[in-house]
Amino acid sequence: KQEVTQIPAALSVPEGENLVLNCSFTDSAIYNLQWFRQDPGKGLTSLLLIQSSQREQTSGRLNASLDKSSGRSTLYIAASQPGDSATYLCAARIKSSNTGKLIFGQGTTLQVKP
Amino acid sequence: SQTIHQWPATLVQPVGSPLSLECTVEGTSNPNLYWYRQAAGRGLQLLFYSVGIGQISSEVPQNLSASRPQDRQFILSSKKLLLSDSGFYLCALVRGDEAFFGQGTRLTVV
Repeated sequence: KQEVTQIPAALSVPEGENLVLNCSFTDSAIYNLQWFRQDPGKGLTSLLLIQSSQREQTSGRLNASLDKSSGRSTLYIAASQPGDSATYLCAARIKSSNTGKLIFGQGTTLQVKP
Repeated sequence: SQTIHQWPATLVQPVGSPLSLECTVEGTSNPNLYWYRQAAGRGLQLLFYSVGIGQISSEVPQNLSASRPQDRQFILSSKKLLLSDSGFYLCALVRGDEAFFGQGTRLTVV
C-alpha cells in the first residue's frame, strides 16, 4: 500500500532564503508525482508534475526532483517570498491503478516572514 | 484550458439533512472526474471517481454517494449527513497526466 509522507509538517523562514520541502513514498512503482500549493480555505493549484522517467522539473523559482529508487521527491524554492506562504502537498499517482488515483502527503505549511 | 466550478463554497448543514454538492467542468470533454475529501488533520482522500456518464466507482465505504448525469457534471450526495461527513470537498479532473482541482466546498455538519 502506497504511503506518502511530507517532512517537515511546518516551516518558517525569513524572506529571501532558499528552502527544500521533502516528500517520501513507500512504493517506487509510481506513474508520476505532482506538487501542489494550497492557500487557506482554497483548492489545490498544480505547481509541477514529474513523470516517473524524469529526474526533475523546473518552473520559475521552483524545482522539483524525483528519485524513485530512494522513494523521495524534493521541492526546492529559491529566494522565498512572503507570497510563497501556503501549504505544499505532494501526491503520487500509483502505477497499479488506472484510475488516476493520487495518494497525498499531509502537506508542509510554509510561512515566509518579511 | 479547463475550469472546474464547485458550489457552494461553504455549507453548514444539520445532522440528518440531505446533501448535494455540484461540480461542473469546462474546456474539456469526457474527463475523468474525482471527489476528494480533506478532513481536519488528515490528508486528501479519494472518495469517488468517474470515467464517464453514469459510471461511478467508490474508493471507500461511506455515507455518501456520487452521480454523473452529464459528461461535465459530477454530483456528491447524501441522504442523511453525519457529523463525520464534515470536511473540505474537492472536485478534480485529470487531463493527460496532470490533475487539476476546483476551489472546494467547506462542509460543516452541526
